[in-house]
Amino acid sequence: LAKTTQPISMDSYEGQEVNITCSHNNIATNDYITWYQQFPSQGPRFIIQGYKTKVTNEVASLFIPADRKSSTLSLPRVSLSDTAVYYCLVGDYGTGGFKTIFGAGTRLFVKA
Amino acid sequence: DAGVIQSPRHEVTEMGQEVTLRCKPISGHDYLFWYRQTMMRGLELLIYFNNNVPIDDSGMPEDRFSAKMPNASFSTLKIQPSEPRDSAVYFCASRKGTSGDHNEQFFGPGTRLTVL
Repeated sequence: LAKTTQPISMDSYEGQEVNITCSHNNIATNDYITWYQQFPSQGPRFIIQGYKTKVTNEVASLFIPADRKSSTLSLPRVSLSDTAVYYCLVGDYGTGGFKTIFGAGTRLFVKA
Repeated sequence: DAGVIQSPRHEVTEMGQEVTLRCKPISGHDYLFWYRQTMMRGLELLIYFNNNVPIDDSGMPEDRFSAKMPNASFSTLKIQPSEPRDSAVYFCASRKGTSGDHNEQFFGPGTRLTVL
């Protein structure tokens, strides 16, 4: 499983776009990149997953450069309720088993 | 769907006692995961099952921990005897085996365990 590196914490203001970058230099060919969100006193919640280029859903966008050694989670126009910990995971969850390694995550604090 | 159900939500026990945590996965999901979360160690995968069979238990800290899945709708994580360092939030998660999202796990609300 590829090791991931994320910033420990980030601050933002309501209405701003937030970009959280994750480094995964040892990503393997079959690995996917997945992001989860965790609010206090709750279990993590899946946000988005991608393999290459750009993926967008109703919650976020995920940008993956051609070399796939990093990825950026983009949250448009954040609100106070987006204050949470965001985890970046990398692994071959389709054929390589489902061992899931959560790192320390990025603690995002959105201010009014 | 009610989502992943865990019980109890809170458990306070004394050192040396047996603790049993319970989980009901989402109906139709093939995989079930047990995690432990602490401030010091973050979110750790303890064990996961596929079709009720344990696949990887390398994250189970020691022999005091055991997990079972007697059927597709129920799993237990048992700690015997419990120790203060086992205090943590324990999460259960489940997922489909053939989901288009390869790693979309659905987490339960967790059980907060305190061992005195």
